[in-house]
Amino acid sequence: EMQLVESGGDVVRPGGSLRLSCAASGFAFGDYAMTWVRQVPGKGLEWVSGINWIGGSSYYADSVEGRFTISRDSAKNSLYLQMSSLRAEDTALYHCARGPHARSPYWYFDLWGRGTLVTVSS
Amino acid sequence: EIVMTQSPATLSVSPGERVTLSCRSSQSVSSDLAWYQQKPGQAPRLLIHGASTRATAIPARFSGSGSGTEFTLSISSLQSEDFAVYYCQQYNNWPRTTFGQGTKLEIK
Repeated sequence: EMQLVESGGDVVRPGGSLRLSCAASGFAFGDYAMTWVRQVPGKGLEWVSGINWIGGSSYYADSVEGRFTISRDSAKNSLYLQMSSLRAEDTALYHCARGPHARSPYWYFDLWGRGTLVTVSS
Repeated sequence: EIVMTQSPATLSVSPGERVTLSCRSSQSVSSDLAWYQQKPGQAPRLLIHGASTRATAIPARFSGSGSGTEFTLSISSLQSEDFAVYYCQQYNNWPRTTFGQGTKLEIK
C-alpha cells in the first residue's frame, strides 16, 4: 500500500525552528517529485514547497521563502521541511504529497499524508 | 498569482441527485486543473487531473470538464460517501500553484 506519514509537528514559540519529516512507502520514492501543502484547521489548502525527483530543484511559496528549506533523502525514502523564524501565521496542519513522476511537468498531487500539526504560539 | 474561485461555498443536496461544482481561474490555466476531495480528519484525495482525467480508482460518477478559466466537477448520483469538501487546484503556473477555497457538499 502506498503511504505517506508525516511527523515532527509540535508547539513552538514565535521565532523558533522545527523540522518536519515525511516517510514514504509502497512506491519508488526516488522517481517522484514531492511537496508540502499546509492547511489551517477548518480552512483551505496552501502550497508551501516542492522539490523535484532528483532533489536538484526546490520551490517555495513567497510566504515561506528564505525561512523554510525542503530536502529529501531517497536512500531513506524521506522528505523533510526545515522551518525557521516561525510565525503565528505558520500554524497549520502540514501535509506531504506526491508530485509528478520524474520529468513530468504536471504538478498535481496524487498521494497525500494525513498531516502533522504545527502550532506557533507564545 | 492566479486566483481560483469556487462556487458555491456550500451546497446542500440529497443522495441520488446530480451535482455540479464550479471553479474559475483569474487567468487561463489551459487544462492544468485538478480536483480533490477531503473528508473530515482525512488527507485530500485526487479525483481529477488535466481538467477531465479521472485519477486511479475514482468512480465513473465523477467527471470533470472545462478549459481556460471555467471548470466544473460533476457527480452524477450522489452517494453518502461523497459528502465532503472539494478543492480545485491550478498547476499551469508552477511553482505558483494555487487552490480554490473549497466547496462543502452537505446532506440536505
